[in-house]
Amino acid sequence: GAGVSQSPSNKVTEKGKDVELRCDPISGHTALYWYRQSLGQGLEFLIYFQGNSAPDKSGLPSDRFSAERTGGSVSTLTIQRTQQEDSAVYLCASSGIAAPKRRQYFGPGTRLTVT
Amino acid sequence: GESVGLHLPTLSVQEGDNSIINCAYSNSASDYFIWYKQESGKGPQFIIDIRSNMDKRQGQRVTVLLNKTVKHLSLQIAATQPGDSAVYFCAETDTGSSNTGKLIFGQGTTLQVKP
Repeated sequence: GAGVSQSPSNKVTEKGKDVELRCDPISGHTALYWYRQSLGQGLEFLIYFQGNSAPDKSGLPSDRFSAERTGGSVSTLTIQRTQQEDSAVYLCASSGIAAPKRRQYFGPGTRLTVT
Repeated sequence: GESVGLHLPTLSVQEGDNSIINCAYSNSASDYFIWYKQESGKGPQFIIDIRSNMDKRQGQRVTVLLNKTVKHLSLQIAATQPGDSAVYFCAETDTGSSNTGKLIFGQGTTLQVKP
């Protein structure tokens, strides 16, 4: 398909373990965003990539959270030493440089449960 | 601080009626607004967007109205169908100097369509 894909769709991990979440944006989209959605809440911005660089990391909640993007395409969000409060749905979105360049298309999300 | 809020957490309408979902925002610098539909277990799906130089935009069965004077946004759905049942989020961004395009989301309104 031509949409944003994310893997895994579900992840259950024990407190203290590290997890990696993957996002494949729409082909050709240079902008990539990570958001977090807690149960019954709106989406909270985490980090923004333009190409491989991350000019806005202001939403990362702690230094346990990091993300990278390689080849201007796939991005990985890593959470180290997971805590129960990290349990949420992690959503990735991408946006192209052509108008409407602000329109973000979302993937299905990864549901993370920390036990 | 910035906030985007929805007036009602749940809206229940009869199939075939028109639905109106409201949203208030506080950042007067916001110049781009977008509505998403989120079904259970899925990522947000783009519905319609509008820029601040417009006050109305129409799509298929949907209309977005923007009132910058009172910082209010609404989504109108004509002839609501059972498939419209979902959570609806408004989001805004300020494409100013930071120019990252990160979206600030409201908490969401659940639309329930009664057959």
